[in-house]
Amino acid sequence: QVQIQQWGAGLLKPSETLSLTCAVNGGSVSGHYWSWIRQTPGKGLEWIGEINHSGSTIYNPSLKSRLSISSDTSKNQFSLRLSSVTAADTAVYYCARELGYCSGGACYGGTFEYWGQGTLVTVSS
Amino acid sequence: DIVMTQSPDSLAVSLGERATINCKSSQSILYNSNNKNYLAWYQQKPGQPPKLLIYWAFTRESGVPDRFSGSGSGTDFTLTISSLRAEDVAVYYCQQYYTPVRTFGQGTKLEIK
Repeated sequence: QVQIQQWGAGLLKPSETLSLTCAVNGGSVSGHYWSWIRQTPGKGLEWIGEINHSGSTIYNPSLKSRLSISSDTSKNQFSLRLSSVTAADTAVYYCARELGYCSGGACYGGTFEYWGQGTLVTVSS
Repeated sequence: DIVMTQSPDSLAVSLGERATINCKSSQSILYNSNNKNYLAWYQQKPGQPPKLLIYWAFTRESGVPDRFSGSGSGTDFTLTISSLRAEDVAVYYCQQYYTPVRTFGQGTKLEIK
């Protein structure tokens, strides 16, 4: 059974960098697609970005200029960094393993099958 | 981005009755080459992450009770709970994965009448 444990700083000041990490048990980071998703009462669920088994990333254009997603296969972990945070970045952040699929000779991420427990990140001065 | 719009925003249904939640996409999420609709449904209970219920519009995830079913094609989709149980009280979300930038509906809160 896949289990994902996530951690990171929960309270940030404006302009600081948000940093979260997820560790995967029961599966390999290098064999799947992984995403970060955040949730706010106002905007609901927002997909942040993805890293795949080869280390390639796709970012939400709305966050791309501030975003970095990476993986460390030796530790079986993947991470999120979001720079220059503001109050608008206050949210519960989730990491998730995707239920990928292949079509036309290529493979893609898709839905979110296994989730971390979520981390509340608050940005406040 | 593809905008996903759910209706209603909230719904109260009696135990044992049918619950129906709708989801509409701003453009078709049916990929003609494989005839698949890139639509998923999730259930979220308070304090928990969302749980994947259905993908490809109607394929139930392993372990999901068969009272949950998905239907629809193109731009209009429905999640149906055939006989509501108390443990089904939750917020339900649809999500499209037709484009690399995945988007979710705003959620439908399901309560017991």
